[in-house]
Amino acid sequence: AQKITQTQPGMFVQEKEAVTLDCTYDTSDQSYGLFWYKQPSSGEMIFLIYQGSYDEQNATEGRYSLNFQKARKSANLVISASQLGDSAMYFCAMREGWNTGKLIFGQGTTLQVKP
Amino acid sequence: EPEVTQTPSHQVTQMGQEVILRCVPISNHLYFYWYRQILGQKVEFLVSFYNNEISEKSEIFDDQFSVERPDGSNFTLKIRSTKLEDSAMYFCASMSGTGIYEQYFGPGTRLTVT
Repeated sequence: AQKITQTQPGMFVQEKEAVTLDCTYDTSDQSYGLFWYKQPSSGEMIFLIYQGSYDEQNATEGRYSLNFQKARKSANLVISASQLGDSAMYFCAMREGWNTGKLIFGQGTTLQVKP
Repeated sequence: EPEVTQTPSHQVTQMGQEVILRCVPISNHLYFYWYRQILGQKVEFLVSFYNNEISEKSEIFDDQFSVERPDGSNFTLKIRSTKLEDSAMYFCASMSGTGIYEQYFGPGTRLTVT
């Protein structure tokens, strides 16, 4: 079974609009972490935002926010005021259990921002 | 700002040859990882390393793979006898072990096996 599911292979958004990238996860652990990474066409992986399973408030980092719905096991990334430079692949990832464990990645969503 | 570096950025090798991919993690980090990404696919975990030993490895990380931290700064991934299916982008990542435990990724090494 997929641990991390990103159901949107590709998304389009108009510049300056907000966009939500979906991520659902599957774990039986009580302690876990959820991450979003951005991968531009140049290939590097850029850390965007983190949500811990025990965090009561949704994480925010500048224009990025994470809509964490624990009961639904979803951790959607919201990008506000999209910019052309936001065009990239976005990966949701989960770390189960102990804090220093491996990351499990979803398939990714390609976001294209239109001018 | 400190960053993870990887060399080379692109490596072309023939099937059956040995390759060594090099990484310099962020200097005060304690946990190190290798991941790979086959073109167009998701990022997959290979191995994690802490306190000079492997802490976890995936099914992909078979006997053909090995990791080493030969000195205080470098972290290497060796593939003894490359196969065509080893062609991928290989990412090194490091983590401090405190804070929110985010893993910082290097820019990757694109390995092409011909």
